[in-house]
Amino acid sequence: NAGVTQTPKFQVLKTGQSMTLQCAQDMNHEYMSWYRQDPGMGLRLIHYSVGAGITDQGEVPNGYNVSRSTTEDFPLRLLSAAPSQTSVYFCASSPSTNTGELFFGEGSRLTVL
Amino acid sequence: AQKITQTQPGMFVQEKEAVTLDCTYDTSDPSYGLFWYKQPSSGEMIFLIYQGSYDQQNATEGRYSLNFQKARKSANLVISASQLGDSAMYFCAMREPGYSSASKIIFGSGTRLSIRP
Repeated sequence: NAGVTQTPKFQVLKTGQSMTLQCAQDMNHEYMSWYRQDPGMGLRLIHYSVGAGITDQGEVPNGYNVSRSTTEDFPLRLLSAAPSQTSVYFCASSPSTNTGELFFGEGSRLTVL
Repeated sequence: AQKITQTQPGMFVQEKEAVTLDCTYDTSDPSYGLFWYKQPSSGEMIFLIYQGSYDQQNATEGRYSLNFQKARKSANLVISASQLGDSAMYFCAMREPGYSSASKIIFGSGTRLSIRP
């Protein structure tokens, strides 16, 4: 079972470059979200979505854009990467918008030079 | 204001002993959910246990139990008979209401648990 799939797993960018982290789930989950994990900071919520066409900001949304055109996909875009965005990024999904635990992808390690 | 607080950055426990990982939370909404996740050194996030704010009984899953004290706003994770494989980061998380009755899940900073043989 695929579950939540994130690509790429590793990426190195130069300051100012743009990129998209892809996230896809095959469980027909309504709820999807993106987190970043920095050392000693736990996971911080960037953006989340409760269904196709609906997104909202989390705790640390600045510098990131999202869209949800289908139930399956929830890409995270960095328009102009900064060294402060060096982190491990996790995509997660949940069957319902207000119950149930999160199912996580394996994470994407991003380094911005 | 921090919504989820884990005050123990690191803990060392002898194998086979029980261990309690602390978590306090802050919310004014009566409907919320509390979770614990385990993150081993390999990096994946593993769901352990869930407690709903209206649940009357403390949640249990095998060796894991959640000591839910609603009035104190605490949701401590108890691991009985710890094993070497329990060495990992542990995160407490809370689902709180968000956009249009949907809810977002936020995490604490984590506790690194190390089991001594």
